[in-house]
Amino acid sequence: DQQVKQNSPSLSVQEGRISILNCDYTNSMFDYFLWYKKYPAEGPTFLISISSIKDKNEDGRFTVFLNKSAKHLSLHIVPSQPGDSAVYFCAASRGFGNEKLTFGTGTRLTIIP
Amino acid sequence: DAGVTQSPTHLIKTRGQQVTLRCSPKSGHDTVSWYQQALGQGPQFIFQYYEEEERQRGNFPDRFSGHQFPNYSSELNVNALLLGDSALYLCASSYWSLTGEQFFGPGTRLTVL
Repeated sequence: DQQVKQNSPSLSVQEGRISILNCDYTNSMFDYFLWYKKYPAEGPTFLISISSIKDKNEDGRFTVFLNKSAKHLSLHIVPSQPGDSAVYFCAASRGFGNEKLTFGTGTRLTIIP
Repeated sequence: DAGVTQSPTHLIKTRGQQVTLRCSPKSGHDTVSWYQQALGQGPQFIFQYYEEEERQRGNFPDRFSGHQFPNYSSELNVNALLLGDSALYLCASSYWSLTGEQFFGPGTRLTVL
């Protein structure tokens, strides 16, 4: 049972444009959501997070939007840069801190120069 | 400041054998979580250790066991290896008492023949 879903395995975006990565979840108990970025031969690197009490969180070029009624979140990257090419994982947990993370299957983002 | 380190980088075993993977958490972190990432999938939570005790466990059989040492480092042991255990094994560390993201190591690639 896939509780966190990323339905787009891959996405290609022109450099300078906006990249939008989507994630859906089914477990209503999730209340903390994170995005991780992964380069080959490296572990996932934390990017940005949002708690269920918010609907938007922004950090530089990265913004995460949360729609609780639709159980949907998205990551916006503006403007996209070549270094953003990586696999992006959406993750969710019940509570903050050290609760176990449930990951989606990832979206491979390719930024075209 | 060293991040999360894991050893070995790669490992090849045959079915039925046993394997031990090692993890050193980021300096100051006291909690270690282990994840399994199969090809094309997102990381799946195996278990978490704090104060040398298993605190949470995912849906993995008893063949998967772990240990945490007084210096907070951790081991993951897998007995009676199956072909399906071939995966990237990721270790993540964090502070038990604080909110915040988990920091991941580069992983150990296990191949079972």
